[in-house]
Amino acid sequence: QKEVEQDPGPLSVPEGAIVSLNCTYSNSAFQYFMWYRQYSRKGPELLMYTYSSGNKEDGRFTAQVDKSSKYISLFIRDSQPSDSATYLCAMVLMGRSQGNLIFGKGTKLSVKP
Amino acid sequence: EAQVTQNPRYLITVTGKKLTVTCSQNMNHEYMSWYRQDPGLGLRQIYYSMNVEVTDKGDVPEGYKVSRKEKRNFPLILESPSPNQTSLYFCASRRQGGYTGELFFGEGSRLTVL
Repeated sequence: QKEVEQDPGPLSVPEGAIVSLNCTYSNSAFQYFMWYRQYSRKGPELLMYTYSSGNKEDGRFTAQVDKSSKYISLFIRDSQPSDSATYLCAMVLMGRSQGNLIFGKGTKLSVKP
Repeated sequence: EAQVTQNPRYLITVTGKKLTVTCSQNMNHEYMSWYRQDPGLGLRQIYYSMNVEVTDKGDVPEGYKVSRKEKRNFPLILESPSPNQTSLYFCASRRQGGYTGELFFGEGSRLTVL
């Protein structure tokens, strides 16, 4: 069983839709949870970062962590064509492998005008 | 401008011909890492370095070498490339202390081994 599971999509939505991206994980000791965004032909860049269970909001983006269910989500409100990218979840198990990130495989999102 | 610079961005080579992909960062980061990204497999870590002269294997180190002689540089060496090393490679760096999760990635190096 992979440590981090992420539906690869692709996911296609109309402009203005609410997008939900999800990851599940198996190791309850993961402590930090991140979402990276990767545009085509670019390196990933950090979008959001959270440590605890609950919600964290940043503009149109909300990151949600449910440690009891080992489930994290990224919600995008009022999606825009510029949100079209691959979204990767990532997690860190501190004290193991010097804080290296474990990435999901990424979900490719396309927002149609 | 804070950045991670990789070279070359694109390379086509043949089996067995040694090559080096360079990586340089200008943020004085202690931690640097190499990843490969393949369709259906996602980002997989090859090697990482916690600081100068300190390197360690990631999840897929076979066929690769690295060195960290200077803080800013972390080259990836393919001594005898094979077709299964055809991939998109990313170098990344971050601060080591006060962990925030923010890895800074380079633009990527697309390697094709014939």
